[in-house]
Amino acid sequence: GENVEQHPSTLSVQEGDSAVIKCTYSDSASNYFPWYKQELGKGPQLIIDIRSNVGEKKDQRIAVTLNKTAKHFSLHITETQPEDSAVYFCAAPLGFRNDMRFGAGTRLTVKP
Amino acid sequence: NAGVTQTPKFQVLKTGQSMTLQCAQDMNHNSMYWYRQDPGMGLRLIYYSASEGTTDKGEVPNGYNVSRLNKREFSLRLESAAPSQTSVYFCASSATRGEANNYGYTFGSGTRLTVV
Repeated sequence: GENVEQHPSTLSVQEGDSAVIKCTYSDSASNYFPWYKQELGKGPQLIIDIRSNVGEKKDQRIAVTLNKTAKHFSLHITETQPEDSAVYFCAAPLGFRNDMRFGAGTRLTVKP
Repeated sequence: NAGVTQTPKFQVLKTGQSMTLQCAQDMNHNSMYWYRQDPGMGLRLIYYSASEGTTDKGEVPNGYNVSRLNKREFSLRLESAAPSQTSVYFCASSATRGEANNYGYTFGSGTRLTVV
């Protein structure tokens, strides 16, 4: 089955700096890679996603890059702000199924 | 507001008690899921339903049962609660792979369950 590994588990940056979180997956059939942000006491919220036929996708200060050959994808947050502080999860589908395997999460802290 | 609604938000059970967690979505999604979230272990799939009338086991199904009551509702039942089931439970829904290019999940706000 799919294995999704996420690094780092914690990340602390200064406001205005960039943050990068990386995930690797094992199933070459995976074709869709979402990222979720979870704030304290809330459910995860989809913030950006990418399909396997695209190498990079941007949405304002966040971007996701995908390297299919190496089987990894990364979340990039530029000009970080305190409100970016949260736990971030990557995910990848299990083969050709609909359900997904999640990474263990990265706790991002942005210091003002 | 469109989304996924879970009830209850908090629950304390005694070992051996039973309960049902309710979930409903109004986005006309075919697929629905139940995950549990434990510290340091991320989100683990308990059961999912690809469409009305079908359910499948996930990574950690033991001790749970589910019912896909109709397209909108997907419930999770604990028949005899155990302390190991203390967790935060999330319901989610999504479009079905093949029907949409992007099938990211919409999550509910969670149920925090404590079994004593």
